[in-house]
Amino acid sequence: AQTVTQSQPEMSVQEAETVTLSCTYDTSESDYYLFWYKQPPSRQMILVIRQEAYKQQNATENRFSVNFQKAAKSFSLKISDSQLGDAAMYFCAYDRGSTLGRLYFGRGTQLTVWP
Amino acid sequence: EPEVTQTPSHQVTQMGQEVILRCVPISNHLYFYWYRQILGQKVEFLVSFYNNEISEKSEIFDDQFSVERPDGSNFTLKIRSTKLEDSAMYFCASSDTEMNTEAFFGQGTRLTVV
Repeated sequence: AQTVTQSQPEMSVQEAETVTLSCTYDTSESDYYLFWYKQPPSRQMILVIRQEAYKQQNATENRFSVNFQKAAKSFSLKISDSQLGDAAMYFCAYDRGSTLGRLYFGRGTQLTVWP
Repeated sequence: EPEVTQTPSHQVTQMGQEVILRCVPISNHLYFYWYRQILGQKVEFLVSFYNNEISEKSEIFDDQFSVERPDGSNFTLKIRSTKLEDSAMYFCASSDTEMNTEAFFGQGTRLTVV
């Protein structure tokens, strides 16, 4: 069964600093996708970054980057130069890459950004 | 920028009543999903829908739930007889690829069952 674990219920960071959110997952698949979604107070789910398991290169989107360790089944999100608008709940999610498109989510990490 | 739209944003209903949650996916998308998030808990998959039929459903999606694409634009989730534990945020999502490399989510409908 696919499970996604986020071991940090809450994290905080000072504005302009860097923070890393952890995520581990369990799967027997060799090809899959991993995602980080952001959920601000408005509750909308916004895609932050995506990683294909067959790609060794870590995905990067502006201030957001991931550290994907396939053997360790680890997928952490690094936010550089944190901004007040980054404050949100962050969910790690897994897609087994089938045609069915079911996402498995972790429990989320609430990120607070201090000015 | 195209977006997934959900209505209403908040619905309050009495236990035992039927509710229909509505979603307008992005126009060229073919794969549709419903997820729910009970307050304080993780987002959970309910159902996926493609080519006018259910592709996959979770154990949560029992006989009380149904989905429909009544026309070319709307995608609905019906709960036949609501229970208190159905209170949650319901998210609709859509994707243009069968691999779901990126699902776009709506802003959610908060359902409160009293």
